[in-house]
Amino acid sequence: DQQVKQNSPSLSVQEGRISILNCDYTNSMFDYFLWYKKYPAEGPTFLISISSIKDKNEDGRFTVFLNKSAKHLSLHIVPSQPGDSAVYFCAASSGVFGNEKLTFGTGTRLTIIP
Amino acid sequence: DSGVTQTPKHLITATGQRVTLRCSPRSGDLSVYWYQQSLDQGLQFLIQYYNGEERAKGNILERFSAQQFPDLHSELNLSSLELGDSALYFCASSPPGSDEQYFGPGTRLTVT
Repeated sequence: DQQVKQNSPSLSVQEGRISILNCDYTNSMFDYFLWYKKYPAEGPTFLISISSIKDKNEDGRFTVFLNKSAKHLSLHIVPSQPGDSAVYFCAASSGVFGNEKLTFGTGTRLTIIP
Repeated sequence: DSGVTQTPKHLITATGQRVTLRCSPRSGDLSVYWYQQSLDQGLQFLIQYYNGEERAKGNILERFSAQQFPDLHSELNLSSLELGDSALYFCASSPPGSDEQYFGPGTRLTVT
């Protein structure tokens, strides 16, 4: 049972435009959500996160939106740059005190077209 | 560089064999997690240790075991290897009270 789903395996976006990556979850106990970026032959790199008490978190070109009622989150990258080409994983955790395991989606491969 | 180190980077072995993967967490991080990524799949949680104690278990096979040592490094032992165990194995660590995990570069295991 896939509790975190990324339904788009791939996405191509023109350089300078907005990239929108989507993620859905089914477990109501999830209360913290993270996005990771992964280049080939490297480990995932933490990008941005959001707690369930917020509906938006912004960090430079990256913004994550959370819609709890729809159990949906999205990552917006504006403007998209060639270095953003990578696989993006959505992850979720539950628990109050931190240090919880993460449940990952299967990833979306983002390609930025120059 | 996340500060998490993993060795070896690549491992090729035969079916039925046993291997040990090693992970050193970031300085100050007490929690270590192991994940498996098979081809075109997401990362599957295997097991977590916190300050030397097992804290959570995921889809870890009985042929697999792990431990965290007093210096906080961790080892993942995989035995009676099968072709289907070929995958990337990632270790991650997180500081106390945080859900943000920092990943090592991974060990690519190939079972032939």
